[in-house]
Amino acid sequence: EDQVTQSPEALRLQEGESSSLNCSYTVSGLRGLFWYRQDPGKGPEFLFTLYSAGEEKEKERLKATLTKKESFLHITAPKPEDSATYLCAVQAVETSGSRLTFGEGTQLTVNP
Amino acid sequence: DAGITQSPRHKVTETGTPVTLRCHQTENHRYMYWYRQDPGHGLRLIHYSYGVKDTDKGEVSDGYSVSRSKTEDFLLTLESATSSQTSVYFCAISESYEGDTQYFGPGTRLTVL
Repeated sequence: EDQVTQSPEALRLQEGESSSLNCSYTVSGLRGLFWYRQDPGKGPEFLFTLYSAGEEKEKERLKATLTKKESFLHITAPKPEDSATYLCAVQAVETSGSRLTFGEGTQLTVNP
Repeated sequence: DAGITQSPRHKVTETGTPVTLRCHQTENHRYMYWYRQDPGHGLRLIHYSYGVKDTDKGEVSDGYSVSRSKTEDFLLTLESATSSQTSVYFCAISESYEGDTQYFGPGTRLTVL
């Protein structure tokens, strides 16, 4: 069974204090790993897709990396507007229906 | 933003009543999905569609049915709502099947009393 575990559950940072969020996964074969951002009362907003170990992608203050067992979302010099819940999801090679298996998310709060 | 709308955005209903949620997309994507989001479980796939009139079950499909008569619309029906179906429901779309990004709608908050 595919599993995704995100840590920490919640993270409080001061503005400018860099940190990383972790996504550990177990799948029979990885087709893709996805990062989303979700604001309260809204749908998940796509950030990145990673397909193979060693791959990295960047967008503004965010950088996602992938190994064979986990992914990290690095946040450099965060701002209060980066406060949100960050979701990680995997799609396995043998999954029917193109299903994404999601973690429960990391709730990030950035204080000014 | 992907052109996805969901209606209604909020609904309160009583146990045993039928409920239909609608997802409408303007992207002409082939694949559409219904997920539910619950504390402690994250997002879970209910049903998905891979074309007009082509649908299949997801991880938590019991008590739900779907229909897709047009590319742009995907309906989720709770034939007889139960309190365990109180949740936030999200529609998602993707262009292709394998490894393609799924884009999510704004969600519908459903409360079953």
